[in-house]
Amino acid sequence: LAKTTQPISMDSYEGQEVNITCSHNNIATNDYITWYQQFPSQGPRFIIQGYKTKVTNEVASLFIPADRKSSTLSLPRVSLSDTAVYYCLVGLLEGGKLIFGQGTELSVKP
Amino acid sequence: KAGVTQTPRYLIKTRGQQVTLSCSPISGHRSVSWYQQTPGQGLQFLFEYFSETQRNKGNFPGRFSGRQFSNSRSEMNVSTLELGDSALYLCASSKMQGAIPLNTEAFFGQGTRLTVV
Repeated sequence: LAKTTQPISMDSYEGQEVNITCSHNNIATNDYITWYQQFPSQGPRFIIQGYKTKVTNEVASLFIPADRKSSTLSLPRVSLSDTAVYYCLVGLLEGGKLIFGQGTELSVKP
Repeated sequence: KAGVTQTPRYLIKTRGQQVTLSCSPISGHRSVSWYQQTPGQGLQFLFEYFSETQRNKGNFPGRFSGRQFSNSRSEMNVSTLELGDSALYLCASSKMQGAIPLNTEAFFGQGTRLTVV
């Protein structure tokens, strides 16, 4: 699975849009880009997944440029409850194995 | 539908003891994976079971073992507990079809918090 690099932490305020960028220079042709969210003492939760261009669901948007060497998770109008760690993963769910990096700790302030 | 259920939620054990953790996957999911999460090492893959067979294994000592039953429920066992085994143990299930990987998501349980004293 391709290695990912994302900021260790980010701060934001309620109501703002938050964009978390992940770099994955060695992404393979068949790899998908997946983001998970984790609250303290809970398991990670799937947020969004994409292969190219833009994907949007009720929670977030995922922007992937043409070269796919990076991706940006966009959270519109964050609230205090969006305070969590966000993980960017690249690859396929092969053999049930997900490789998590250090993630980005997002802190939303009032 | 019900999510992934892990029991117990919390455990306190003494060094040298053994422990068994349980995971019930989402109905219809045949792949069950286990992860260990610690502040220092983050989320690390332990092993994965599919149709009662271990298909994939992470870099953990043999004290960590698991099994899967015919109803896809899974257990993991840690023998001769060490202080460093204190962690949040997470189970994830996914809808894998055979050995062909799918572009799919994994559903995690809330975990079992193990404290070794």
